Amino acid sequence: AQKITQTQPGMFVQEKEAVTLDCTYDTSDPSYGLFWYKQPSSGEMIFLIYQGSYDQQNATEGRYSLNFQKARKSANLVISASQLGDSAMYFCAMREIYNFNKFYFGSGTKLNVKP
Amino acid sequence: DGGITQSPKYLFRKEGQNVTLSCEQNLNHDAMYWYRQDPGQGLRLIYYSQIVNDFQKGDIAEGYSVSREKKESFPLTVTSAQKNPTAFYLCASSTQQGRMNTEAFFGQGTRLTVV
Repeated sequence: AQKITQTQPGMFVQEKEAVTLDCTYDTSDPSYGLFWYKQPSSGEMIFLIYQGSYDQQNATEGRYSLNFQKARKSANLVISASQLGDSAMYFCAMREIYNFNKFYFGSGTKLNVKP
Repeated sequence: DGGITQSPKYLFRKEGQNVTLSCEQNLNHDAMYWYRQDPGQGLRLIYYSQIVNDFQKGDIAEGYSVSREKKESFPLTVTSAQKNPTAFYLCASSTQQGRMNTEAFFGQGTRLTVV
């Protein structure tokens, strides 16, 4: 079974609007961490935001927030006030407490911000 | 500046040749990783190493080999046994201090093309 599933291969959003990128995960470990990365066309991977499985509040970092629904095993990334520079691939990733040194990545979502 | 350096940025290989991709980090991280990314796809784990002189196969290790003689260095050799090596290769590292919220840091990537 896939550890991380991103079901949206591509998304379009109008500049200045908000967009939600979906991520569901599969784990039976009692503790785990969820990460979102941005990959522009240059190829570098930029860390955006982290959510721990025991965190009581949803993580936020500037225009990025994570809609964490533990019971549904989902960790959706919300980007508010989209900018043209947000156009990129976005990857959801997870590490588990019993397999601490492995990061599992989803297949990614290509976001295009329209002017 | 601390970070991960991958070289070369672009690499061309003739069929039947072995090539080695370099990855060096000065973040004092114990764990290092190699991922392969095909166009429009997610990251697939090739090999990872938790400590010097030790490494484990990831999900797609066939046709690849690694070494970890120094903490700072984790070179990847793409052998002639790898039938379809054309891809984007990303090296990453992470601390192994037991903190779930520490992300993986990535290099700029090496784009390998078979000619």
